[in-house]
Amino acid sequence: AQSVAQPEDQVNVAEGNPLTVKCTYSVSGNPYLFWYVQYPNRGLQFLLKYITGDNLVKGSYGFEAEFNKSQTSFHLKKPSALVSDSALYFCAVRAFTQGGKLIFGQGTELSVKP
Amino acid sequence: EPEVTQTPSHQVTQMGQEVILRCVPISNHLYFYWYRQILGQKVEFLVSFYNNEISEKSEIFDDQFSVERPDGSNFTLKIRSTKLEDSAMYFCASSEARTGSNSPLHFGNGTRLTVT
Repeated sequence: AQSVAQPEDQVNVAEGNPLTVKCTYSVSGNPYLFWYVQYPNRGLQFLLKYITGDNLVKGSYGFEAEFNKSQTSFHLKKPSALVSDSALYFCAVRAFTQGGKLIFGQGTELSVKP
Repeated sequence: EPEVTQTPSHQVTQMGQEVILRCVPISNHLYFYWYRQILGQKVEFLVSFYNNEISEKSEIFDDQFSVERPDGSNFTLKIRSTKLEDSAMYFCASSEARTGSNSPLHFGNGTRLTVT
């Protein structure tokens, strides 16, 4: 069965510093991986996805993620954090089931301080 | 950009009452989903729906829950007899395609259900 794990409940970063939000996955076969962001009292917004091809995926708002097959990881990164990046971030894997549901990690709260 | 819309944004109901949560998926999408999130925690899958039938459901989606696409645009989640533990944020999502697809799910802003 497919699953993802986010080992950090919270990540604290100073504005202007690089940020990394970690995600590891467990799938049999090729994974379809996604990152979503959730702002307070809002739905989940799609940031980026990895399907095949280049291991470095670029997405919305200057975010990127690096797929590493040997480490089964898909960490979210941004070179220079903004205070407005503070939010809840979810890693997800697409299940190879009839419904094609997304399976989410437990979420990481990112706090960027000025 | 087209988006998934959900109504109401907040629903308060008494234990044992029936509630219907409504969603309008993106118009050319074919696959529909309901998820729930309890108090900013993990986002849990409830059910997926395609071609007017349930494709997959989780253990949470018991006999108290049902889904329906009553017309060409709406997608509803009904909870027959609400319990206190049903209090959560309920998200509707839609997708162009399913398994093996690179299409992301697009989520609505959610309905906050409070059962008293």
